[in-house]
Amino acid sequence: DVKVTQSSRYLVKRTGEKVFLECVQDMDHENMFWYRQDPGLGLRLIYFSYDVKMKEKGDIPEGYSVSREKKERFSLILESASTNQTSMYLCASSFTLGQSHEQYFGPGTRLTVT
Amino acid sequence: AQKITQTQPGMFVQEKEAVTLDCTYDTSDPSYGLFWYKQPSSGEMIFLIYQGSYDQQNATEGRYSLNFQKARKSANLVISASQLGDSAMYFCAMRSVQGAQKLVFGQGTRLTINP
Repeated sequence: DVKVTQSSRYLVKRTGEKVFLECVQDMDHENMFWYRQDPGLGLRLIYFSYDVKMKEKGDIPEGYSVSREKKERFSLILESASTNQTSMYLCASSFTLGQSHEQYFGPGTRLTVT
Repeated sequence: AQKITQTQPGMFVQEKEAVTLDCTYDTSDPSYGLFWYKQPSSGEMIFLIYQGSYDQQNATEGRYSLNFQKARKSANLVISASQLGDSAMYFCAMRSVQGAQKLVFGQGTRLTINP
């Protein structure tokens, strides 16, 4: 059974803290993605990676960075958390070949920054 | 730039009725794919159905079908014989061949099935 896991379901952090969100997939997918989900806005892409040590900015990368040292793991880093980063964060992964390949999602991390 | 629009923030349907969730898209890419995902209250995103822009027939997966009208740039999801378990958020998404596997999502539609 395919699986994408995220390190936490719920997280509460203080303004200014450095926050790490971890994502692991066991499907040997090349691509991994980080989205944030906000009511009325759908899912917006923060960063994605199509290979180890490779990363590309998505639509809203400001305030975030990422790391992909191993194929199965993709980390999202909030260098200095702010209250406007309170959101649901979803990780996803997919194969590269084949246009029809869907993305598989993790369960999400609901982050609250106070 | 690619854009997905879902104009129905919420829908209420009686159990066992069919329901259509609207999705329109905008792209200049000649080749693209359209996806629908379901997100129950538990939060996980569940892939439902895929339609390729060059597919001749509308996609179907069990009770789900995609009403693809290329000229109108619409990709509506049709759920037949709705069930209580269909209550969830539904997202339409698009990926182009040039988009490096990225998905662009719509705002979502919250579907509520009434008994």
